[in-house]
Formats: sequence, structure tokens, C-alpha cells
Amino acid sequence: DIQMTQSPSSLSASVGDRVTITCRASQGIRNDLGWYQQKPGEAPKRLIYAASSLQSGVPSRFSGSGSGTEFTLTISSLQPEDFATYYCLQHNSYPYSFGQGTKLEIK
Amino acid sequence: QVQLVQSGAEVKKPGASVKVSCKASGYTFSSYDINWVRQASGQGLEWMGWMNPNTGNTGFAQKFQGRVTITRNTSISTAYMELSNLRSEDTAVYYCAREDLPWSGYFDVWGRGTSVTVSS
Repeated sequence: DIQMTQSPSSLSASVGDRVTITCRASQGIRNDLGWYQQKPGEAPKRLIYAASSLQSGVPSRFSGSGSGTEFTLTISSLQPEDFATYYCLQHNSYPYSFGQGTKLEIK
Repeated sequence: QVQLVQSGAEVKKPGASVKVSCKASGYTFSSYDINWVRQASGQGLEWMGWMNPNTGNTGFAQKFQGRVTITRNTSISTAYMELSNLRSEDTAVYYCAREDLPWSGYFDVWGRGTSVTVSS
């Protein structure tokens, strides 16, 4: 199985900050990676697909990069509604696997 | 509208089994894969397994192999996830999610979740 290692597990930041979250795959997954955002009591919502493509309707302050084994999610200027938990998901091969999650909290 | 409606909360004893249902409506059930994801309280998302409702083909995360079964009844557009030999660590909310295209990893419709509590 492919293991996804996500870091950091938590992050404290302020409105307007730029933040970066990283996921590392235990083996190459091309660009078969998405980033999901989950808010308390809600289902996860995909923000980024194919590692770097923005899901329709998602603000452009979100961006993704990477290929192979190293991936990043960047939020260029944090907004109040961005404080949530973020997960990467690899779908290169079954079984799919999520990263452990990054909880983004207000400083 | 497109939705997945899951069965209600369950309380089980260690060693028992639980079967969670996921009824699809508003779309052609057999046209979209169903995935199962669980989330323990305050913890992360954990992908459990997948089923193609058309063929019945399934796949599972290694940690659940031998304990999880995913089935469907196409006549009532319902998928089922059964987890056996329950232990306290299986206490979680279990979600079914529709995958918009095979291998896309895009779970575009989610059920509201079924809480499963394992306690003696």
C-alpha cells in the first residue's frame, strides 16, 4: 500500500499569512493526488486535483504543486474561512490513502 | 437531487459485526463507484474500500482485509459496508462517498455519516 506522510499535523497562522502543507508518498504516484478541506461537521471538499489543478469554484489563493512523491498545498493569503483541516489523497492505485491531515488554526 | 442516505447510528459490542447501508438517489447508481471512508472522533480521514456497483468489484485497505465486506443491491440502489470482529478502535463515523469518475479520487457526493460505537 502507498503511505502518505503529511506535515505539519497542525499549523497556527494569522489572516493574510501564506502557508504551505506538504505530502510525501512512499512511492511515485505521478500527479494522482488531490487536496481536500474539511470543516467541523461537514463532508470534505476537494480543492485541488491532479496535484496542481484548481477545482471549479475554489478561490485562486489555493494552489498545489508537485509530482512523483512530493506535493504541496499553498494558501497565498489566509482568509477566516480557510481555518479548517486539510488532507491529501492519493488515487494512483488501490488502496487509496489519505494523509494524516493538517489542522490549520487561527493564531 | 443527488444524495447518499446512510443508515442510523449503531452501538455494538466487541467481536460483533456492523452493516452500514448507503442508499443512492438522483442518479444512476451503477454508473459511479462508491468508496467508504471512516473518521474517528477528532482524528483524520481513513480510506477503507471501494466498490464498482455495476460489476460488484471491490478493493480494500490492507488493514481491513478479511474484516470488511462491501456489497450492493442494485434493485434498490443501495451499497453496504459490513465490518466484522469489531474492536474499540473501530468506533468512528463511517461515510460512503460517490467517486465522480473511476480512478479520479474525486468524491463529489458524501453521505452524512453513520456513527458506530464499539463498547462493552
